[in-house]
Amino acid sequence: NAGVTQTPKFRVLKTGQSMTLLCAQDMNHEYMYWYRQDPGMGLRLIHYSVGEGTTAKGEVPDGYNVSRLKKQNFLLGLESAAPSQTSVYFCASSYFGAVHYNEQFFGPGTRLTVL
Amino acid sequence: AQSVTQLGSHVSVSEGALVLLRCNYSSSVPPYLFWYVQYPNQGLQLLLKYTSAATLVKGINGFEAEFKKSETSFHLTKPSAHMSDAAEYFCAVSESFGNEKLTFGTGTRLTIIP
Repeated sequence: NAGVTQTPKFRVLKTGQSMTLLCAQDMNHEYMYWYRQDPGMGLRLIHYSVGEGTTAKGEVPDGYNVSRLKKQNFLLGLESAAPSQTSVYFCASSYFGAVHYNEQFFGPGTRLTVL
Repeated sequence: AQSVTQLGSHVSVSEGALVLLRCNYSSSVPPYLFWYVQYPNQGLQLLLKYTSAATLVKGINGFEAEFKKSETSFHLTKPSAHMSDAAEYFCAVSESFGNEKLTFGTGTRLTIIP
């Protein structure tokens, strides 16, 4: 199993450009998450999904959109990139149900620079 | 509401010395608690988790953590540091029901001195 994969690994954008980050998981997980990691701030939740066709806002959703058209994929979109969105983005997934204790499995990250 | 505080953004220990990374949490319901490790340029990997079974939890690579409800703490320890332990460590909390989200601390970067 590949686990959680993210595409691309690196990207440089100019201010105002758009892009989509792709997250894929092969563990049949119900829940998927997008985080951003910035120095000294830990991981902050951008958006998440509790199942195919559903999405919800996290702690820092502004400037991002997401879609979960297939259970195994979770897309993060930046419609008009800003330098403040320079960050490392992590996707994660987890099983549904309390018995799994909300343990999340993480992808390798995407390093995005907005000039 | 849930939150996590990690005391010390940087910790340095000598190789072979005790590692102690501190984590305090708040949660309105019994929590699940996690420690994740992040090696340079990699994603997060689960070290260990507390799920209300045993208060002393053993994880991978010789790490363990003790849940202390009275102190709302979940500190991470390792008796003898190894050079390969150099990484960033994150504590995270999740409420045991009704909440599918994790809240992370700001992380502690562990440096091992040869």
